[in-house]
Amino acid sequence: AQSVTQPDIHITVSEGASLELRCNYSYGATPYLFWYVQSPGQGLQLLLKYFSGDTLVQGIKGFEAEFKRSQSSFNLRKPSVHWSDAAEYFCAVGHSSGGYNKLIFGAGTRLAVHP
Amino acid sequence: DVKVTQSSRYLVKRTGEKVFLECVQDMDHENMFWYRQDPGLGLRLIYFSYDVKMKEKGDIPEGYSVSREKKERFSLILESASTNQTSMYLCASSSVTGDTEAFFGQGTRLTVV
Repeated sequence: AQSVTQPDIHITVSEGASLELRCNYSYGATPYLFWYVQSPGQGLQLLLKYFSGDTLVQGIKGFEAEFKRSQSSFNLRKPSVHWSDAAEYFCAVGHSSGGYNKLIFGAGTRLAVHP
Repeated sequence: DVKVTQSSRYLVKRTGEKVFLECVQDMDHENMFWYRQDPGLGLRLIYFSYDVKMKEKGDIPEGYSVSREKKERFSLILESASTNQTSMYLCASSSVTGDTEAFFGQGTRLTVV
């Protein structure tokens, strides 16, 4: 069955430090992969997505993610975190079946940023 | 600017009430979804719809039903609200092809007392 694992429930980093959020997936075919961010009390906003091609994907707000098929991973990175990056981050895999698609989400990683 | 709009940001309902959560999208998307979000559990799919009047159960459909009479509108119905349905509910829509992302509404935080 398809699944997404985000091993870190909470992460705290200092402003200006680098960030890596981990995501592992289980999926039988080539996956469609997504990272979403959710600010407090808000809906989800797409940060970036991977469908095919270059395994290093650039997104909004200075984020990037790298697809590693051998490790079934799609980790999110940012070289220098800003206080406004404090939020919850969700990794998701797209599953297509019968002509329709749906997203399977990980449990999320809550990021806190120290000044 | 594309938009998915949920009718309420916050709702407080009593146990046993019938509750309607409404969602409207303006992107002419075929697919629409209702997720439930709880701390530590991520987003869990309740129901989805891939066409008008069509619906499919997600992972946690018990206690819920849905209605899609028009392409742009997808309603989630709690037939008899219970306290364990207190949660954040997120609506989303997407195109029929698998390589497009889902767009989310702002969420409805439902409290059942």
